[in-house]
Amino acid sequence: GQQLNQSPQSMFIQEGEDVSMNCTSSSIFNTWLWYKQDPGEGPVLLIALYKAGELTSNGRLTAQFGITRKDSFLNISASIPSDVGIYFCAGHAGGTSYGKLTFGQGTILTVHP
Amino acid sequence: DTEVTQTPKHLVMGMTNKKSLKCEQHMGHRAMYWYKQKAKKPPELMFVYSYEKLSINESVPSRFSPECPNSSLLNLHLHALQPEDSALYLCASAGRSGATDTQYFGPGTRLTVL
Repeated sequence: GQQLNQSPQSMFIQEGEDVSMNCTSSSIFNTWLWYKQDPGEGPVLLIALYKAGELTSNGRLTAQFGITRKDSFLNISASIPSDVGIYFCAGHAGGTSYGKLTFGQGTILTVHP
Repeated sequence: DTEVTQTPKHLVMGMTNKKSLKCEQHMGHRAMYWYKQKAKKPPELMFVYSYEKLSINESVPSRFSPECPNSSLLNLHLHALQPEDSALYLCASAGRSGATDTQYFGPGTRLTVL
């Protein structure tokens, strides 16, 4: 099925650095979601975006819904070791799709103390 | 409260066993989902229930049988599984205020098929 193009695939950064990752699509989405997943656990919703151009923050995390509705980015400022994990973007096309989400391939984040 | 609970946390079963995974949410969500996830890959949708009715079956083999006893519970019955079915099985729910675009996941069941 369709997948989102999420980049980068992996990042190795030093504690305190800022992080940026993004997702792009050839299709329009009505909702963009960002999840973080720790090993052996389920994805945890970080930020949900519902309007084109929307910029939303959650602590050190900031995410934006692209104006074209075909992309979104997530920034993490001043990274800490507990930011380690896999970050997934997901898009929802709307309509009668019963909430079917399209996922990116994930960004694996490693933070060195 | 955005909690989805799943039991058991871990499950090991043989190829001839019958087992069930359970999921529960008390957020009043009207849609519930089963996903399968392999290591370092995104979740793959298996089933969607909307208002306790099966709405989507993503061509899942019949050895996986979902059940939605009521609006808060979702089960996944397993029978005659194959080793390649070993994965993390995730439940999710969505649909407060009528929208189903924002899904909340449970912690998952780590399934190992021997």
